Amino acid sequence: NAGVTQTPKFRVLKTGQSMTLLCAQDMNHEYMYWYRQDPGMGLRLIHYSVGEGTTAKGEVPDGYNVSRLKKQNFLLGLESAAPSQTSVYFCASSSTGVGNTIYFGEGSWLTVV
Amino acid sequence: RKEVEQDPGPFNVPEGATVAFNCTYSNSASQSFFWYRQDCRKEPKLLMSVYSSGNEDGRFTAQLNRASQYISLLIRDSKLSDSATYLCVVGPSGSARQLTFGSGTQLTVLP
Repeated sequence: NAGVTQTPKFRVLKTGQSMTLLCAQDMNHEYMYWYRQDPGMGLRLIHYSVGEGTTAKGEVPDGYNVSRLKKQNFLLGLESAAPSQTSVYFCASSSTGVGNTIYFGEGSWLTVV
Repeated sequence: RKEVEQDPGPFNVPEGATVAFNCTYSNSASQSFFWYRQDCRKEPKLLMSVYSSGNEDGRFTAQLNRASQYISLLIRDSKLSDSATYLCVVGPSGSARQLTFGSGTQLTVLP
């Protein structure tokens, strides 16, 4: 009964390094999302996807790239990490868009030093 | 002005108390409203949707006031296990990305 699974859970990066966060869902959901959560800011949408092979920008997309090659997977890439990208990242999925329950992964804690 | 505003708290209440949170939103076109619960260092989980007529789920009651553009969450007979951050979520219909999360209201229920 996995739901939404994110890896890694914790990571420390040096400024300028790159990395990929992996997200997998086993609920056959069409929609997938990447959010970041910072103190006092709430969850902010980075990128999202409405189906396999499609992606779109959210509220704060700069410095990130995504890919949805398979319906069940949604990858978030940091090309050149910056300290401002220190945050908690949540992947989520839903069967369709607004109005349906969004299911979140457990989060990935990323620190950029 | 933030699109969704919540009092961050913290609200510290004794067990058995009734506590209410409000959340205001700025987009009058918003059509979908939710309360999510987030425990410390955990992911958000849906607590309840908020319908125009208001809705109740056990000790929890959610209401929507479109005229004043706010939603509320009432928790009766608070339990220690209710301690969490409550996120107000608002979105217009028909668009996948336009869900806006409030920054949350922290509740601590004290024994």
